[in-house]
Amino acid sequence: DGGITQSPKYLFRKEGQNVTLSCEQNLNHDAMYWYRQDPGQGLRLIYYSQIVNDFQKGDIAEGYSVSREKKESFPLTVTSAQKNPTAFYLCASTPTAISSGNTIYFGEGSWLTVV
Amino acid sequence: RKEVEQDPGPFNVPEGATVAFNCTYSNSASQSFFWYRQDCRKEPKLLMSVYSSGNEDGRFTAQLNRASQYISLLIRDSKLSDSATYLCVVNRAENTGFQKLVFGTGTRLLVSP
Repeated sequence: DGGITQSPKYLFRKEGQNVTLSCEQNLNHDAMYWYRQDPGQGLRLIYYSQIVNDFQKGDIAEGYSVSREKKESFPLTVTSAQKNPTAFYLCASTPTAISSGNTIYFGEGSWLTVV
Repeated sequence: RKEVEQDPGPFNVPEGATVAFNCTYSNSASQSFFWYRQDCRKEPKLLMSVYSSGNEDGRFTAQLNRASQYISLLIRDSKLSDSATYLCVVNRAENTGFQKLVFGTGTRLLVSP
């Protein structure tokens, strides 16, 4: 089935460690996104990529890094510089960069907890 | 003021009730509007887009009021399975031309037997 696969679903990180969340899509979508969701807050955009080998910072990029070496893959690294990383992370994609009427598809999400 | 504002709820309603949610947005240039449904600890899923003339999908009706900058979602004949958080989503054009989606915090609905 076509879709977006995120892994791992649950991840525990010690303070000071970097962790990488995987996101793979087989929808042949050009654009991919990473969002963070905290309790009582809406989704906030971390990074987005409109095309392979290109990506831009979203609203809360500090402490995160991404790469887009392949169209289907958009991994997110949560670095030790991210002071409050415990959250629900959602990867998403759209056929092209979000435009009027473009539906965004989400992966099932990854829960990151700092211990 | 948040760019997209929703009443967090929860809205507690009995099965069969009609319930309505409103959402206000601050960017008058927004062109695209959506309602997403999010179940507990799951990813958001598109419920419906919101069109200028209003639109209906079964028990769900969405309305847009551009003058007052709000959108609404009406659910008729509520089912237990409608219990979820409903996210209001509005687009915003960045200076680069990128169309960003701005998500509200969501309104929680609890339908009881």
